[in-house]
Amino acid sequence: KAGVTQTPRYLIKTRGQQVTLSCSPISGHRSVSWYQQTPGQGLQFLFEYFSETQRNKGNFPGRFSGRQFSNSRSEMNVSTLELGDSALYLCASSSFGPSTREQFFGPGTRLTVL
Amino acid sequence: AQSVTQLDSQVPVFEEAPVELRCNYSSSVSVYLFWYVQYPNQGLQLLLKYLSGSTLVESINGFEAEFNKSQTSFHLRKPSVHISDTAEYFCAVTPNRGDAGNMLTFGGGTRLMVKP
Repeated sequence: KAGVTQTPRYLIKTRGQQVTLSCSPISGHRSVSWYQQTPGQGLQFLFEYFSETQRNKGNFPGRFSGRQFSNSRSEMNVSTLELGDSALYLCASSSFGPSTREQFFGPGTRLTVL
Repeated sequence: AQSVTQLDSQVPVFEEAPVELRCNYSSSVSVYLFWYVQYPNQGLQLLLKYLSGSTLVESINGFEAEFNKSQTSFHLRKPSVHISDTAEYFCAVTPNRGDAGNMLTFGGGTRLMVKP
């Protein structure tokens, strides 16, 4: 089974621009979560989508948004980029069975904001 | 809400020595617990998890962790480390309610540095 894939792997943007990151979950997984990883703040939960609905949301400003498509693929968007948005953005998928709760992570998209 | 504290940001250890990476958590509800490992320039890989049952859980590569509810801890141990174990290790929790979704709360990470 193919793992979680994220595209692109690397991105360089300038302040004020917007960016869209994509995540394809493991086949059959309906839950997709996004995390931001920075040296200063560590790993922080952004949001989770399940069956095209946002189920959970972390404490991030409204500039961060996401969506999930009917095939479970997910995108996250960051508008009006700030320098502090430079980070590794990780996507994780899960089958969310009652006895699993294991999340499988992709390799991440490294975003650099100049 | 949940919080996770990894008491050591870096742990240097010689090859073949034992190691313990400490993790404590705080939560108003019961949680599931996880250890993830991250190698340079890669995503996170699940090392082991505690969902229920035996409080001692083991991974296939020699790591083990013990859930201690009274001390709210989930320390990770390995009796003999290898150079290849050099990585960053993250402890994480999520509420064990079915409607809680998959929101993981992570600790700050512990960088394990295995020296020859």
